[in-house]
Amino acid sequence: GAGVSQSPSNKVTEKGKDVELRCDPISGHTALYWYRQSLGQGLEFLIYFQGNSAPDKSGLPSDRFSAERTGGSVSTLTIQRTQQEDSAVYLCASSFSTDTEAFFGQGTRLTVV
Amino acid sequence: AQSVTQPDIHITVSEGASLELRCNYSYGATPYLFWYVQSPGQGLQLLLKYFSGDTLVQGIKGFEAEFKRSQSSFNLRKPSVHWSDAAEYFCAVGGEQAGTALIFGKGTTLSVSS
Repeated sequence: GAGVSQSPSNKVTEKGKDVELRCDPISGHTALYWYRQSLGQGLEFLIYFQGNSAPDKSGLPSDRFSAERTGGSVSTLTIQRTQQEDSAVYLCASSFSTDTEAFFGQGTRLTVV
Repeated sequence: AQSVTQPDIHITVSEGASLELRCNYSYGATPYLFWYVQSPGQGLQLLLKYFSGDTLVQGIKGFEAEFKRSQSSFNLRKPSVHWSDAAEYFCAVGGEQAGTALIFGKGTTLSVSS
């Protein structure tokens, strides 16, 4: 596609429910990143994929968070049993490789009520 | 693991004045360094990047940054700030080692006064 696409753009969910956030990277980009942006916290790194494997999962805040990438393309970030502190904008980015520009999607704004 | 520190949370600069935003990184091998800008309600846009070679790199919108290995720094500069430069600026570090993720600092918010 022309750019990184994330869906949904907005998600309101009840505390305790599971949510899935989707990222469609730019075609041909092998590197894919997930970040979380909260006020005053900058871009918090969550997980990085190279192809379908995740060399670095160190940023996932708890075992309620998981992510997968299939076919070297689409990635899904799943948050189980959502908590209010999970409310944030979740950003996805992709790049050809780690030494090229990362292009960002517009993000998914998650609100847990 | 690599990390990035942006010591200044918020900076206010007069329009037309010069600007320097600080960035310090930690990484055990050759770093790849980036500056991104996020304008209000907008996505992140790459300003410039450093991989190797000349330590002074030029970017878009009149920005430049200088890589200083001895100081582990990659400060962003602009000689004359415009009101439209008001935004949040993020420094990021990646690296040449396989499997190195792209890690961002917490950002610096730039306000421009008239």
